[in-house]
Amino acid sequence: GESVGLHLPTLSVQEGDNSIINCAYSNSASDYFIWYKQESGKGPQFIIDIRSNMDKRQGQRVTVLLNKTVKHLSLQIAATQPGDSAVYFCAERETSGSRLTFGEGTQLTVNP
Amino acid sequence: NAGVMQNPRHLVRRRGQEARLRCSPMKGHSHVYWYRQLPEEGLKFMVYLQKENIIDESGMPKERFSAEFPKEGPSILRIQQVVRGDSAAYFCASSPPRGPGREQYFGPGTRLTVT
Repeated sequence: GESVGLHLPTLSVQEGDNSIINCAYSNSASDYFIWYKQESGKGPQFIIDIRSNMDKRQGQRVTVLLNKTVKHLSLQIAATQPGDSAVYFCAERETSGSRLTFGEGTQLTVNP
Repeated sequence: NAGVMQNPRHLVRRRGQEARLRCSPMKGHSHVYWYRQLPEEGLKFMVYLQKENIIDESGMPKERFSAEFPKEGPSILRIQQVVRGDSAAYFCASSPPRGPGREQYFGPGTRLTVT
């Protein structure tokens, strides 16, 4: 079936470095993508989203890139901080208001 | 504006008992979604509800599981005759009725342990 998956299950970076977390999706009908951050024992926290008519969107210290040709999504975190340590999930949605399909997650560890 | 609220945060049930999980959406949100997360896995969609209506329950097991979102009060996810395999974190999300993205905002989850 359709799925969203991540290339790397774990990522370890030094504080201050930039982090890149990747995600592949296979549902070409998806028109909306979201990145969530989940800290241990907590619910997913919305980070940034992007619609399929865009290829880049920037937030505060985060940038999401969308490559529809190869069905690839990435999250870039600038100047990574220890507080960024968490599991990051990409999710996709086919139409407005419908279910989200989540990837398996990448554990980001930031070393001081 | 309070976020999505879920209770209880932790729930322990013996096999065969019933589990009731509650979700109060954010103020102004009329759409509720339930997801289940097993350890070390991503979230899996279960059901999507609007007030008094089930819109999509394609992710919900056919037996023992039910969900409702009444006109008044929280959304309830009910699991009857729980089994060990039901142990998981159950997350509720809500979204507004209008808007281009209708982003889903998640609650803190209920961690169900079946002994």
